[in-house]
Amino acid sequence: SQQGEEDPQALSIQEGENATMNCSYKTSINNLQWYRQNSGRGLVHLILIRSNEREKHSGRLRVTLDTSKKSSSLLITASRAADTASYFCATDENTDKLIFGTGTRLQVFP
Amino acid sequence: GAVVSQHPSRVICKSGTSVKIECRSLDFQATTMFWYRQFPKQSLMLMATSNEGSKATYEQGVEKDKFLINHASLTLSTLTVTSAHPEDSSFYICSARRLGEDYNEQFFGPGTRLTVL
Repeated sequence: SQQGEEDPQALSIQEGENATMNCSYKTSINNLQWYRQNSGRGLVHLILIRSNEREKHSGRLRVTLDTSKKSSSLLITASRAADTASYFCATDENTDKLIFGTGTRLQVFP
Repeated sequence: GAVVSQHPSRVICKSGTSVKIECRSLDFQATTMFWYRQFPKQSLMLMATSNEGSKATYEQGVEKDKFLINHASLTLSTLTVTSAHPEDSSFYICSARRLGEDYNEQFFGPGTRLTVL
């Protein structure tokens, strides 16, 4: 399966700053999802954006989707040390399977 | 809620032994369960899709005779790594798709860390 690309691979910021992660994918999709993974743990679902949506908010999270560019971004505003984790985008490629991006490792320093 | 558990959370075994990992959806019925493998500092790679009452569908490059999947009920899928070798050491994560959902949200288990000596 073709994996999506995420950038940056790693991101280090100070608490209070915003963190932006980008995801690009290769095929048409029904929806795109963002997940968070703390080191050595399972994944936590953050947000889902459908292919006919352009922007979605959830708390401090803002997700955009540009289907013409096959890309999405995740913005975490006013970051906290507890946001330190790996973040993955996942697309469904019009199937019931999820294809995960390469991930962004976010480190938020207090 | 939509809680998925995995057991064991961590296993260390000798080369050549078989290891069984269970994935359970605790408070919902799952039409489909998925098994992923994740190597250190890498993303999740889908290994197989498990449907209750039918054979699993394996991704390209995944040996079905080595990674046996059984999905006996709407709440339980098992992955057996047969004749495990050190290169099978990895983090194995399952997920479950809830019955009746109209979009592909998957709920993930906490993962199983397999170390083969």
